[in-house]
This record gives sequence, structure tokens and C-alpha cells, in this order.
Amino acid sequence: AQSVTQLDSHVSVSEGTPVLLRCNYSSSYSPSLFWYVQHPNKGLQLLLKYTSAATLVKGINGFEAEFKKSETSFHLTKPSAHMSDAAEYFCVVSDHLDSNYQLIWGAGTKLIIKP
Amino acid sequence: DAGVIQSPRHEVTEMGQEVTLRCKPISGHNSLFWYRQTMMRGLELLIYFNNNVPIDDSGMPEDRFSAKMPNASFSTLKIQPSEPRDSAVYFCASSLAGGRTGELFFGEGSRLTVL
Repeated sequence: AQSVTQLDSHVSVSEGTPVLLRCNYSSSYSPSLFWYVQHPNKGLQLLLKYTSAATLVKGINGFEAEFKKSETSFHLTKPSAHMSDAAEYFCVVSDHLDSNYQLIWGAGTKLIIKP
Repeated sequence: DAGVIQSPRHEVTEMGQEVTLRCKPISGHNSLFWYRQTMMRGLELLIYFNNNVPIDDSGMPEDRFSAKMPNASFSTLKIQPSEPRDSAVYFCASSLAGGRTGELFFGEGSRLTVL
């Protein structure tokens, strides 16, 4: 069965320090992986996606993620946090079942930025 | 493009009343999704349409919930009768290619409160 585990429900960092949001997945197929961001009282927005091309994926707002098949991980990073990064982040895996598709959503990680 | 448009943004109603949420997807997108988000259960897929046809409604909680997509530019999610446990933020999202790209475009959500 496919699943996504976001290892931290909350992450707190100081402005200007690195960000690491962890995501592990399990999939029977060659998955596609995504990170979405949700700012307070807003809809979700795609941050970046991995679809079997380069394993290091760059997204918007300086975020990037590395697909590590051996570790079944897709952690999200940013070298230097900004106050505007405070939001909830969701890791998502896409599997293809028969002719349909299925998006499996992680539970989310709330990123808190301390001034 | 205006993005995915949802209405109403906020709705407060009393238990037993009918609630109708509306969604206009991005022009040209052929897939539409209704999600529900609560603190307790996170983000849940309710139903998924492809080319106006419901493909997967296994997430619809019960018969009180119904969704329609009469044409490519409009969808509704109806709850009748509503109950306090239906209080949540309901998101509509649209996508190309049946959602296989995993890139969903979300509206800003409809916050429903049932008293």
C-alpha cells in the first residue's frame, strides 16, 4: 500500500537559518512526488515536483527537495528561512492504479519562523 | 487567468439546512477535485471528476453529500441536511491530464460552519 509520512508535525526555525522538512514514502510503483504549501487561510499551491527526471528538484521561493530512492525519502530544504515561509507544507505521492491515479497526502508540517 | 474560483468563501448555517458550495475550475482543465480539510482529519479527497464524469466518489462521507459537474466550467457540492460535524474548509481543485501530473490548482476554499 502507498503511504506518506511527514516525520514532524511542527518545525520551528529562526529567520535566516536552514529549513528541513522530512518526508518518507512507500510505493509499489515508480512514484511521482510533490510538495505543496498552504499559507494561513489560503488554498494549497504546488511548491515543486519530482517525476523521474533529476533527483534534485528546485521549486519556488528557494525551496528544493532531493529524491532518494534508497532511503524512500523526499525531504524539503531551504538554505535560509524567511518570515514569509511560515505555512503548512504537505508531501504528496502519486501512484497510478490501473487507469486511474491516486494522490496520497501527508498529514502536513507546520513551519514556524522565529524572528 | 483568475484561477479556481470558489463561492461562498464563508458560510454559517444551522443544522438541518441545505448547503451548496460552488466551484469554477480553470478554463481548459479537464479534472476537478473536491477536498475537505479539518484539524482532526487533515485533507480528505471527497470526489474526483474527469471530463465532467465522476471517477472516484469513495471519499464522499454519506448520502447527505452529493456533487455534480453539469459542464466543464462549473461544479457544486451539496450537503443536505447539514450537521455540525460537516464544519470544515472545502477546497475545489482543477488539473490537466486527469490529475496524473499531480499538479493541482486549488481555490481559496469555502469555510463552512454548521451550528
